[in-house]
Formats: sequence, C-alpha cells, structure tokens
Amino acid sequence: NAGVTQTPKFQVLKTGQSMTLQCAQDMNHEYMSWYRQDPGMGLRLIHYSVGAGITDQGEVPNGYNVSRSTTEDFPLRLLSAAPSQTSVYFCASTSALAVFFGQGTRLTVV
Amino acid sequence: GDSVTQMEGPVTLSEEAFLTINCTYTATGYPSLFWYVQYPGEGLQLLLKATKADDKGSNKGFEATYRKETTSFHLEKGSVQVSDSAVYFCALIRDNYGQNFVFGPGTRLSVLP
Repeated sequence: NAGVTQTPKFQVLKTGQSMTLQCAQDMNHEYMSWYRQDPGMGLRLIHYSVGAGITDQGEVPNGYNVSRSTTEDFPLRLLSAAPSQTSVYFCASTSALAVFFGQGTRLTVV
Repeated sequence: GDSVTQMEGPVTLSEEAFLTINCTYTATGYPSLFWYVQYPGEGLQLLLKATKADDKGSNKGFEATYRKETTSFHLEKGSVQVSDSAVYFCALIRDNYGQNFVFGPGTRLSVLP
C-alpha cells in the first residue's frame, strides 16, 4: 500500500516554464488537495477535489491549474512559473478526518 | 475566516524537559482539532486529534485537550527526546464542510542531548 505518491521530489524551473507535479493515491479516497508550504506560513490550500471531475479553488489558486480525471490521480500544473512559486508542495488525500500527505516536492523557480 | 495561531519558534529544549506548544484557533461552528508533525525531509504525519470539546488526544507521550472556552489546543509532553525534534503544526477542520484543513504556521522544536 503506497499511500500518496508525489513526483518529482525536487525540481528547478526557469521563470516562464511550465510543468506538472504528479500525485497519485491508492486508498480510493474521494477528496484530494494540494498545499504549498512556505516558511512561517504553514500550509496553504491551493486547489482541492471532492471526486473525479470536480475541482475547486483553495486559498492561493493563482498560477496553478488542476484536473481530476480519475479517483487516483490529481496533478497540479504550473502554467508559467514565477519565483514566487518557489515552495514545497504537498499533495494530500483525505478520508474520515485523516489526512495522508505525500513526501513533498521542493520546487525552485529561478 | 477560520485561522490557527501557534507560538513562534524555534523552541530549544534539553532532553527530558517538559514541552508545551501553544495553539489557539478562530472558527465558526465546532471544528475538529489536530496536531501534525513533520520530521526533516518528510511530509506531515498525524500526531493526535480531538473532535469535540474536552476531548483529549494522545499519542507517543504527547497530549492535547480541546478547550472550547479558551479556543485552545495546546500540545504537551512530559519528557522530550532528541527524536522529537521536528516541526509541529496545529490544524483544524471545519465541521460539515468538505474536508479542508486550516494549518497554523508550525513550530520548530529542537531537543538537545
């Protein structure tokens, strides 16, 4: 049972480049979400999904897109990377008041 | 909106010292409260939780009591170990509203031998 799997673990992008952070869970959870973690600010919700085909914005959605074509996968896309998006990103899968986090992706935008 | 406030870190203690990390919250309704721990290079892991007033969550020697009258959920441990060095996050989830968590900023704990 892998839980929540995120890839890649590390990524360096140039300003303006695009990329997709992958997230997959094997627990058959309906609810998945993406957070970014910045020093002194805890985790902030970017986007979330309550099931396949349904997504919604969180606290800091600008510059990010998501889709949920299957229950298992919830990729996060950066359309045009900016230095302000340098952060650690966590995917989470939630069920019954328990959140399972991936290992995180450390993204640096130069 | 809902929010979680934690004491600022970093907190540095000697092994076997008593730990308290303060957490207070602002929320409508009756949120469930959580403490998550993040060890270096890892994601967040659930440490303990409490779902209603006066509940006490406990795990691995850590405890926290849900105090509705003071809107607090302070984390305590009687005797910390070097292996407890990590970042601790207080969080809440709004009741009956999806499953969106609101996290505090985190408190870094360093325990010295």
